[in-house]
Amino acid sequence: GENVEQHPSTLSVQEGDSAVIKCTYSDSASNYFPWYKQELGKGPQLIIDIRSNVGEKKDQRIAVTLNKTAKHFSLHITETQPEDSAVYFCAASRGFGNEKLTFGTGTRLTIIP
Amino acid sequence: AAGVIQSPRHLIKEKRETATLKCYPIPRHDTVYWYQQGPGQDPQFLISFYEKMQSDKGSIPDRFSAQQFSDYHSELNMSSLELGDSALYFCASSPGTTTDTQYFGPGTRLTVL
Repeated sequence: GENVEQHPSTLSVQEGDSAVIKCTYSDSASNYFPWYKQELGKGPQLIIDIRSNVGEKKDQRIAVTLNKTAKHFSLHITETQPEDSAVYFCAASRGFGNEKLTFGTGTRLTIIP
Repeated sequence: AAGVIQSPRHLIKEKRETATLKCYPIPRHDTVYWYQQGPGQDPQFLISFYEKMQSDKGSIPDRFSAQQFSDYHSELNMSSLELGDSALYFCASSPGTTTDTQYFGPGTRLTVL
């Protein structure tokens, strides 16, 4: 089955700086890669996703890059703000519809004011 | 916009008791997924349903069962509860085979004493 590794497990950055979280996956058949933000006591919230026919996707301060050959993808958050503090999870699936997500182990991001 | 609804939000049970968790997907979403998240861990896929039929099964104990009803809501039934079943249980929904995007509910926190 799919295995997703995520690094780092914790990340602290100064407000206004950029944060980068990296994930690797094992199943070459995976082609859908979402990122979720989870705040304390809440459910995971989708913040951005990318499919394997796209190398990069951007939505305001958030961007995701995908290297399908190397089987890794990254989340980039620019101009970080205190409200970006949360746990971030990457995930992967085969993307054929109704496919389960396999999650990475999560990154606790702390933005230092 | 309507979101996934889960009830109850909190549940306390004794060992060997039974629990039923309910999930109401986003309107017009016909696929439901159940995930279990232990403390400090990533969500682990349990089971999913598409059009009221089980579509995939993950690491769900035999003591657990689930189904999706004609109105697309789903219930996760957990019997002979063990201390290790204490976790957050999330339901996610998606609008079927045309998309892989999963939207998560707020979760049910189950505590087994």
